[in-house]
Amino acid sequence: GDSVTQMEGPVTLSEEAFLTINCTYTATGYPSLFWYVQYPGEGLQLLLKATKADDKGSNKGFEATYRKETTSFHLEKGSVQVSDSAVYFCALSASNTGNQFYFGTGTSLTVIP
Amino acid sequence: DGGITQSPKYLFRKEGQNVTLSCEQNLNHDAMYWYRQDPGQGLRLIYYSQIVNDFQKGDIAEGYSVSREKKESFPLTVTSAQKNPTAFYLCASSRRDGSPLHFGNGTRLTVT
Repeated sequence: GDSVTQMEGPVTLSEEAFLTINCTYTATGYPSLFWYVQYPGEGLQLLLKATKADDKGSNKGFEATYRKETTSFHLEKGSVQVSDSAVYFCALSASNTGNQFYFGTGTSLTVIP
Repeated sequence: DGGITQSPKYLFRKEGQNVTLSCEQNLNHDAMYWYRQDPGQGLRLIYYSQIVNDFQKGDIAEGYSVSREKKESFPLTVTSAQKNPTAFYLCASSRRDGSPLHFGNGTRLTVT
């Protein structure tokens, strides 16, 4: 079945460091891919999305490119800030599974000043 | 502003009691979902509904029940049959076309 595997955490970075959180997926159809962010005690917020191969989603300095050949959707940011400290979830949704969402287990990021 | 409202934010119950978590949305979304989140874990789907008066079990439906009498509302009841009910519960909604999920801010349930 469809699934998402993402990098284990926690990840700790210094402010202004480069961030990569790896995400790979398994899907029988042509999924849409998403990154969500969760701040402590809150629900998930959509960070960015990509709906087809080679699309790049971007928001707030974060980017991820839909790579069909490697079935990946890695999240990157060139210079993290303390305010980026949160848990990041990779997810997919595919029409051939009734648009059900499948989430990775989340990666906790802490950015230290 | 449109959004999803979950209430209450914190809920405490004694073991053996049923408890109902509220979820209301004013986004005019057809589909609504309930997820459970445990510390350090991802989201697990409890129930979902794609249309009023219809709902389906997710991966961990045992010990839970839902209703969908109105498009805007999708309450979740945690019954006494749920063996480990203490968790963070998230409600979400979306259009039925694969567009992104919108989440509420969650209800943290503690059962002692």
